[in-house]
Amino acid sequence: DVKVTQSSRYLVKRTGEKVFLECVQDMDHENMFWYRQDPGLGLRLIYFSYDVKMKEKGDIPEGYSVSREKKERFSLILESASTNQTSMYLCASSLPGTRGASYNEQFFGPGTRLTVL
Amino acid sequence: QKEVEQNSGPLSVPEGAIASLNCTYSDRGSQSFFWYRQYSGKSPELIMFIYSNGDKEDGRFTAQLNKASQYVSLLIRDSQPSDSATYLCAVTSSNDYKLSFGAGTTVTVRA
Repeated sequence: DVKVTQSSRYLVKRTGEKVFLECVQDMDHENMFWYRQDPGLGLRLIYFSYDVKMKEKGDIPEGYSVSREKKERFSLILESASTNQTSMYLCASSLPGTRGASYNEQFFGPGTRLTVL
Repeated sequence: QKEVEQNSGPLSVPEGAIASLNCTYSDRGSQSFFWYRQYSGKSPELIMFIYSNGDKEDGRFTAQLNKASQYVSLLIRDSQPSDSATYLCAVTSSNDYKLSFGAGTTVTVRA
C-alpha cells in the first residue's frame, strides 16, 4: 500500500511564527505536491516538486516555501504565519508518467489542519 | 471563470438510485480527468480516471467524457449510504503539469 504521512494532524500556531509541515512517502515517487483545502474553494496547489531539490510554484505560492532534500520527504514552510493561512494542508505524491507530471494518480496524506491565531 | 466547476450540491438521492455528478472545465487542451472521493474528515482517494471521449465503467461507477463540450460526469448506480461523500473532479492542465480541482459535490444517499 502506498503510504503518505504528514507530521501532524492538528497544529495551532501564532501569527508571525515560522511553521514547518512535513510529508513523507514510502513509494519512491518522483512527484510530490502540497495543496491547501478550504470550503467552497476545493484543493489549490501551493507547490510541486518533480525531483530532489527541484520545485515549481503552483497557483498560490505566496507566503509559502518548500524544501525537498530527500526523495521521500517534502516540507512546506510558512515563513511568518498569518491568520489567512488557517486551512487544511494536504500532501500528495505520484509517479511522473510519460505524459507529464499529473498524468498519474496522486496519493494523499491524511492532512494537517493548521490554525493560526 | 474557475478552471474546473462543479455543482456544490448537496445532492441527495435515495438508496438504490443513480447519482449524477457534473463537471465542466475551461482548458480545452486538458487531457486527463479524474474523480476523487473524499469522506468527511478524510483525504481524497481516486475512484475513476478517464482520458478518452466516451464512457468508462468500473463497477457501479461510470465516468463520461465529452472533450468537445469540455464536460466530464460521474454516474453512481445503485447508490449506497457508503457512497455519501464529497466527490472532487480534477483535470490536468494542457501541459500536464498541474492538476486543477473543482470545489466538489457533496452527495448524501438516504437509506
